[in-house]
Amino acid sequence: DVKVTQSSRYLVKRTGEKVFLECVQDMDHENMFWYRQDPGLGLRLIYFSYDVKMKEKGDIPEGYSVSREKKERFSLILESASTNQTSMYLCASSRSTGWTYNEQFFGPGTRLTVL
Amino acid sequence: GDSVTQMEGPVTLSEEAFLTINCTYTATGYPSLFWYVQYPGEGLQLLLKATKADDKGSNKGFEATYRKETTSFHLEKGSVQVSDSAVYFCALPNTGNQFYFGTGTSLTVIP
Repeated sequence: DVKVTQSSRYLVKRTGEKVFLECVQDMDHENMFWYRQDPGLGLRLIYFSYDVKMKEKGDIPEGYSVSREKKERFSLILESASTNQTSMYLCASSRSTGWTYNEQFFGPGTRLTVL
Repeated sequence: GDSVTQMEGPVTLSEEAFLTINCTYTATGYPSLFWYVQYPGEGLQLLLKATKADDKGSNKGFEATYRKETTSFHLEKGSVQVSDSAVYFCALPNTGNQFYFGTGTSLTVIP
């Protein structure tokens, strides 16, 4: 069974802390994505990666960075957490096959609360 | 630019009622269209898709027909069950294997 796992389901941090969210996929997918999900706003893309050590900004990258040192792992970093980063964070992965738009597989999400 | 617009929720239905969740899109050309579902406490998963105009995607009793004349991809189910309670997202592919997702429609089915 294909799987995308995220390191924590729930996380509570304090303002100013550095926060690491980890995502691991076991499908040998080339593409990985980080989204945040907020009520009424749907999913918004933060960063994505097409390959190891490669990253591209999504729609809302401000206040976030990412790291992809291994193909199966994609980390989201909040350098200095703020209360407006309280949200649900979803990781996804997909295969890269030319022009075909491939299904994204999602992890269960991390609900982050910044106090 | 490209986008999807889906009906706002929440939607509450009784078991065995008919469901429609509207989705319209704006895009150049004729992209594939997708519906994803998010069950409580889980990530999103693909529900169905259609790859060209007039195609019908179907899965788990849900259907959606790709209509280019109305730029729509409405999700329907003839008889909903309590287990269908979830959030449903319409999605449109973007460049580079990305997706535009709608804002999501929350469905609650009561016995």
